[in-house]
Amino acid sequence: GAGVSQSPSNKVTEKGKDVELRCDPISGHTALYWYRQSLGQGLEFLIYFQGNSAPDKSGLPSDRFSAERTGGSVSTLTIQRTQQEDSAVYLCASTSGLGRLNQPQHFGDGTRLSIL
Amino acid sequence: KQEVTQIPAALSVPEGENLVLNCSFTDSAIYNLQWFRQDPGKGLTSLLLIQSSQREQTSGRLNASLDKSSGRSTLYIAASQPGDSATYLCAVTGANSKLTFGKGITLSVRP
Repeated sequence: GAGVSQSPSNKVTEKGKDVELRCDPISGHTALYWYRQSLGQGLEFLIYFQGNSAPDKSGLPSDRFSAERTGGSVSTLTIQRTQQEDSAVYLCASTSGLGRLNQPQHFGDGTRLSIL
Repeated sequence: KQEVTQIPAALSVPEGENLVLNCSFTDSAIYNLQWFRQDPGKGLTSLLLIQSSQREQTSGRLNASLDKSSGRSTLYIAASQPGDSATYLCAVTGANSKLTFGKGITLSVRP
């Protein structure tokens, strides 16, 4: 597609369950980012991928959070043993790897995660 | 640690008014600054990106300026319209192209 695609758009799950969130970046974009947007906290960086490797995982809040990227394209963010404080909108963005510091990041519409 | 501040958190103006949204950041070692728009339930749309070597960028009724040394940026919206109602976020790019965001300004333009 033309833009960054995220699925599901909404996810409601019980506390303690595992969830997987998916991001399809813009075709050809080698850099991919995950952010979390929660009330009162604003937008927080989680992890950055260049190709399939993650040079910066510094924003992952705990070891219950992990992410992978395969084929330099699709990325999955996994949250294990979900807690209520994980409720937030999870946003994915991508940008061209060439001169990425000079390129705008393009965002998907996010996955709204609600933990009951 | 980089901190980005946007004040006020909300703004309501009548249609047709020219307005300025402010953004400040604490660490001037940035690669660029972006202004985004976010509509309810949607992701972020990039409006303008200013490189660290630039002073301003313009797109239509929008003009963004950057004063890196003082850690400030402004987004100027000319002749505001109800369709401009949204949340406007400012973000700076640091190492590893990681974005640090402000908490945004929620703008309401009254018809």
